[in-house]
Amino acid sequence: GAVVSQHPSRVICKSGTSVKIECRSLDFQATTMFWYRQFPKKSLMLMATSNEGSKATYEQGVEKDKFLINHASLTLSTLTVTSAHPEDSSFYICSASRGLNQPQHFGDGTRLSIL
Amino acid sequence: KQEVTQIPAALSVPEGENLVLNCSFTDSAIYNLQWFRQDPGKGLTSLLLIQSSQREQTSGRLNASLDKSSGRSTLYIAASQPGDSATYLCAVYLNFNKFYFGSGTKLNVKP
Repeated sequence: GAVVSQHPSRVICKSGTSVKIECRSLDFQATTMFWYRQFPKKSLMLMATSNEGSKATYEQGVEKDKFLINHASLTLSTLTVTSAHPEDSSFYICSASRGLNQPQHFGDGTRLSIL
Repeated sequence: KQEVTQIPAALSVPEGENLVLNCSFTDSAIYNLQWFRQDPGKGLTSLLLIQSSQREQTSGRLNASLDKSSGRSTLYIAASQPGDSATYLCAVYLNFNKFYFGSGTKLNVKP
């Protein structure tokens, strides 16, 4: 199988806090990982694509200084929401792939609530 | 820009019915198309993946078809069960890791 673990599953924190979300591929090496954001009753929107050992590629309109992505190993990528505000509250999902044009395997998502 | 539309947005059916979910996309230059299931507050479970050169894929009670030239895909669910209740998402995959999702069809199968 191809298992992707995302942690934490839920975060509630105060405005101004920075929050780190981890995405791990448990049984395969993920050269590429993806971060999505999902608003209620809306589709998933790709935020950024990260390749192991290189800088992430952000989609248009996504603030790279706000959403810091690190992909330091073949099994771990992190998304840090810096100085989070209520409008950052959302459902964040990661996925991992063995490489270009290979199937993506999704984590269970992180519900982020900023008070 | 690729746009993916799913119709209907919501569907409620009695148990045992066969049903069809629709997905349309505007740019036919896709690498593949994938159907996912999403349970409330959860991530995505891949159901079926159709390569651009394929016409359909089957898994158990699920059958997905792809007509790339017309920009359409359908997901057919046979003999629906309450456990099938979830949101079903279709997503088209373009080259270079561009994945575009529809907004989903929320299915409720009543016992």
